Amino acid sequence: DTGVSQDPRHKITKRGQNVTFRCDPISEHNRLYWYRQTLGQGPEFLTYFQNEAQLEKSRLLSDRFSAERPKGSFSTLEIQRTEQGDSAMYLCASSLLVGDKAYEQYFGPGTRLTVT
Amino acid sequence: AQSVTQLDSQVPVFEEAPVELRCNYSSSVSVYLFWYVQYPNQGLQLLLKYLSGSTLVKGINGFEAEFNKSQTSFHLRKPSVHISDTAEYFCAVSGSARQLTFGSGTQLTVLP
Repeated sequence: DTGVSQDPRHKITKRGQNVTFRCDPISEHNRLYWYRQTLGQGPEFLTYFQNEAQLEKSRLLSDRFSAERPKGSFSTLEIQRTEQGDSAMYLCASSLLVGDKAYEQYFGPGTRLTVT
Repeated sequence: AQSVTQLDSQVPVFEEAPVELRCNYSSSVSVYLFWYVQYPNQGLQLLLKYLSGSTLVKGINGFEAEFNKSQTSFHLRKPSVHISDTAEYFCAVSGSARQLTFGSGTQLTVLP
């Protein structure tokens, strides 16, 4: 078990460009979450998947953001027409849901996005 | 709706001294409670969790926390800190919807 991995670790882009991040969860985990963390703040929930189904999206997730989890394995988070306010650490986490019992979330190292 | 308040944004403490990081939460449903630690430019590592059962929870690296339902608190404690404990600590709550709501964090700085 190699844990949750994210790629890339760092991304610098110019305002207006599109970016895509990838998250590979722990293999047996059926839930996958995306969070955003700005400097000096705690992570804020963006969206989560149960297998391949996207079950909830935060109001923070504007229409420039889209997330997918094809086949219930890895997930991608795309930001279109990036803005300077999108600069943040994007964290992915995964967990195991069995019946109605949810277990703890394990986080990846994050992707730090800088929009210039 | 849930919320988490971490009462201290920065806690300096000398090495080998005890420390308590305070966390209060609000929720209209039963909750799960967590403490995570974050080192610079890294993701979050789970320190400990309260899901049910005993209100005193022991975690990794000598940390423990006590769930107090009447005071809606989940304070983190360690009897003797080390330089290596210097990091940002986040308290988080999860309700029926499962996603985590985090506090704004407490920077623990251990001084030699």
